[in-house]
Parts: sequence; structure tokens; C-alpha cells
Amino acid sequence: GESVGLHLPTLSVQEGDNSIINCAYSNSASDYFIWYKQESGKGPQFIIDIRSNMDKRQGQRVTVLLNKTVKHLSLQIAATQPGDSAVYFCAEWGSNYKLTFGKGTLLTVNP
Amino acid sequence: GAVVSQHPSWVICKSGTSVKIECRSLDFQATTMFWYRQFPKQSLMLMATSNEGSKATYEQGVEKDKFLINHASLTLSTLTVTSAHPEDSSFYICSATRSGGASYEQYFGPGTRLTVT
Repeated sequence: GESVGLHLPTLSVQEGDNSIINCAYSNSASDYFIWYKQESGKGPQFIIDIRSNMDKRQGQRVTVLLNKTVKHLSLQIAATQPGDSAVYFCAEWGSNYKLTFGKGTLLTVNP
Repeated sequence: GAVVSQHPSWVICKSGTSVKIECRSLDFQATTMFWYRQFPKQSLMLMATSNEGSKATYEQGVEKDKFLINHASLTLSTLTVTSAHPEDSSFYICSATRSGGASYEQYFGPGTRLTVT
């Protein structure tokens, strides 16, 4: 069935380092992927998205990479800051017209 | 723009009572709203999809008679948890899509923490 999962449930980095959060998906028919940031007790916040016809997309300090061959998605955060500490979810928009969320990765940035 | 609010932000109720949660799109019209549930340290799980003026579509395993959804206007959807029990305690999050916009572009509310005692 459809599923979106994450390789690393937790990630701890030093302030200033780059962070990489990974996600695997199983539905090759999905054509849209989104990364969300969720702080404790809050709703998800959109970070960046990418269509399946793209391999890479860059935003401010963030880059999303999509490898359709191995069904892998990653979020790279440059110069990670303490304010980046949160849970990060990848989500997949499938042919069922629903967002399917991955399990989430807790990112902790140490000052 | 694209702000979604929820009310209340948290609520505590006794087992057996009903609780209503509101989801509002503040600066745009939302044809479709989604309701998610999130248990501690878990991901968001879609409960139902709500289209203005029509009945909600519930996900498999979600009891439509227990989780009543009303989407009476383009800016308001409500979720009523009827006869709540402690296992219904969770973080309920709504999202909304702009009328005429893509359904994958969802704007999320801040969530409502429900605790059933």
C-alpha cells in the first residue's frame, strides 16, 4: 500500500552545521511532495515542495532532493539554527487526492 | 495571507460529553477542509475531507457518527466529537485549501488539544 516513511527518527546537530533529513516513499504514482515543520503544540508549517518531474528545488536555506529511482526524498537545511529545532514531516500527494504524512524526524539543534 | 484558525486551542472534557472544534479560514475562502488527528510522537492521520455544502468523506476506520463534521460555509468547518472517551484524547488539526487552488496546497491550523478525563 501507499506509505511514506523516514529513515531517522531523531537527528541532533550543532548550530551552524548542515542537516539532512530523509524520507522514503512507496507510491511511484505520487506527483507532489511537501516538507513540513512542526513545533511542539503547533500545526504543521509549510517549508518547501517539489513535483515529481523535478530532481531538486531550493528555497531559503533549504533544499529538497527527489530521487525517483529509489523513491527517496531529502530535506537539507543549511547553517542550522536553534530555531530550526522541530519535528519535520515529509508528505506525499497521491492519486487518491490525499496528503499522506511520514512518521517524522525530530531535529535538535545544539547551541 | 492564508491563515487558518482553530477554536478552542485546548479543551478538557468529561467522558461521555461532546466537544465541538471550529476551523476557520480567516482571509480566504476554502472549498475543502481536512481534519487530521495526531497522537503524541506520531504523525498526522487524515480523518476526513470536508467540502462546503456537502457531506464529509471519512477515512477508513473513522466513525462518522462519532466525529461529526459540518462545513456550512466557505470559511468554517466544525468537528464534533460525540460521547468522547479517553482514547479520543489527541491533537486535532484542520487544514484548508483555497477555492480554485490546488488541493495539495493545504494551510494548516494551529491544532486543538483535546483531553478527555
